[in-house]
Amino acid sequence: KAGVTQTPRYLIKTRGQQVTLSCSPISGHRSVSWYQQTPGQGLQFLFEYFSETQRNKGNFPGRFSGRQFSNSRSEMNVSTLELGDSALYLCASSLTGGYGNTIYFGEGSWLTVV
Amino acid sequence: ELKVEQNPLFLSMQEGKNYTIYCNYSTTSDRLYWYRQDPGKSLESLFVLLSNGAVKQEGRLMASLDTKARLSTLHITAAVHDLSATYFCALGGSNYKLTFGKGTLLTVNP
Repeated sequence: KAGVTQTPRYLIKTRGQQVTLSCSPISGHRSVSWYQQTPGQGLQFLFEYFSETQRNKGNFPGRFSGRQFSNSRSEMNVSTLELGDSALYLCASSLTGGYGNTIYFGEGSWLTVV
Repeated sequence: ELKVEQNPLFLSMQEGKNYTIYCNYSTTSDRLYWYRQDPGKSLESLFVLLSNGAVKQEGRLMASLDTKARLSTLHITAAVHDLSATYFCALGGSNYKLTFGKGTLLTVNP
């Protein structure tokens, strides 16, 4: 059974550019969430989607956005990149995001902003 | 504001010894997760604890949940080098979000 797949795995961007990260959840999973991991702030919730609807959003500026497609695949976009956006971005999936669901994480996308 | 506090943040153990990682949280919740992260890798799901008194074991790791005390523990029995990693607890809820602790960096020395 394939796990959560994230692309690209590594990328380097320049300040001011934008970036799009992609996530394919485990087959049959309809809830996809995104997290940012940095050494200083730890793991922080970005947003969660289910059936193409955002059900919750973390405390990040509007430069961070996401969406989910009808096949449950998800993308997140960061516009006008800042140095502080350098982080590991993790995508997670679960069946519904509901009680009792195990939440599985992908390998992550390492973003470096220079 | 919901807080999840783990301690210790750093733990150096000898092989064969036992130890416990503690996870305290500030509000009621009906789900508590434990994850393992190896350097440069993603998060591996270890346990999902759903009710007061829940206890789960896998190999040398055992996790428990006390919802009244708002405390979860991850107990390591007879540690081996392969258990060296960072361990995170995370609180879930009906808002579809996990709130993570800062993680415990465990080093098991021969």
